[in-house]
Amino acid sequence: EAGVAQSPRYKIIEKRQSVAFWCNPISGHATLYWYQQILGQGPKLLIQFQNNGVVDDSQLPKDRFSAERLKGVDSTLKIQPAKLEDSAVYLCASSSPQTGNQPQHFGDGTRLSIL
Amino acid sequence: AQSVAQPEDQVNVAEGNPLTVKCTYSVSGNPYLFWYVQYPNRGLQFLLKYITGDNLVKGSYGFEAEFNKSQTSFHLKKPSALVSDSALYFCAVRAYGGSQGNLIFGKGTKLSVKP
Repeated sequence: EAGVAQSPRYKIIEKRQSVAFWCNPISGHATLYWYQQILGQGPKLLIQFQNNGVVDDSQLPKDRFSAERLKGVDSTLKIQPAKLEDSAVYLCASSSPQTGNQPQHFGDGTRLSIL
Repeated sequence: AQSVAQPEDQVNVAEGNPLTVKCTYSVSGNPYLFWYVQYPNRGLQFLLKYITGDNLVKGSYGFEAEFNKSQTSFHLKKPSALVSDSALYFCAVRAYGGSQGNLIFGKGTKLSVKP
């Protein structure tokens, strides 16, 4: 089966600019996650979708970050305006929700550098 | 609050020797425990999970992990290391009954296997 697809792989912007990342989950996976992975740390959940509804966005900095999952498939994560501390790898993951213990499948991420 | 500790930033092993990557956790209730591996510039790949049952869990690529409830540990092991096992390893925990997205990751342990 095709894996989780993310684009772009790399992005360099200046602070205060805006940026968007795209994710296409594994076909049939209703649950989609966005994580932020800062260098030297483990991934931190930003937002979780179940179909096109938000399940958990408690750690999303809502003053600058936004995410949507229209039609319950693809998702977009946006940062506006970007700050230096947003430099990180942004990982998208998906899982099948039939039971609560299914592993999450990750894309290769988007590496964001803020100048 | 849930937490995961990976006490070693790096583990060095000679090829053919056994390896152990340590993980301890703190969670209310019964834990779901996961190990993931990350190769450079790639997303996280699922290795194995503990949900319930046998304390010794077998996973991909010859890896296994032992759940120890009294020590709140979930150490990753492999009887004979390969150079290709060199990567970053993450332990993660989710409390039983919690949101699927509420995975808490450790900071990661870099495994280096020398020929």
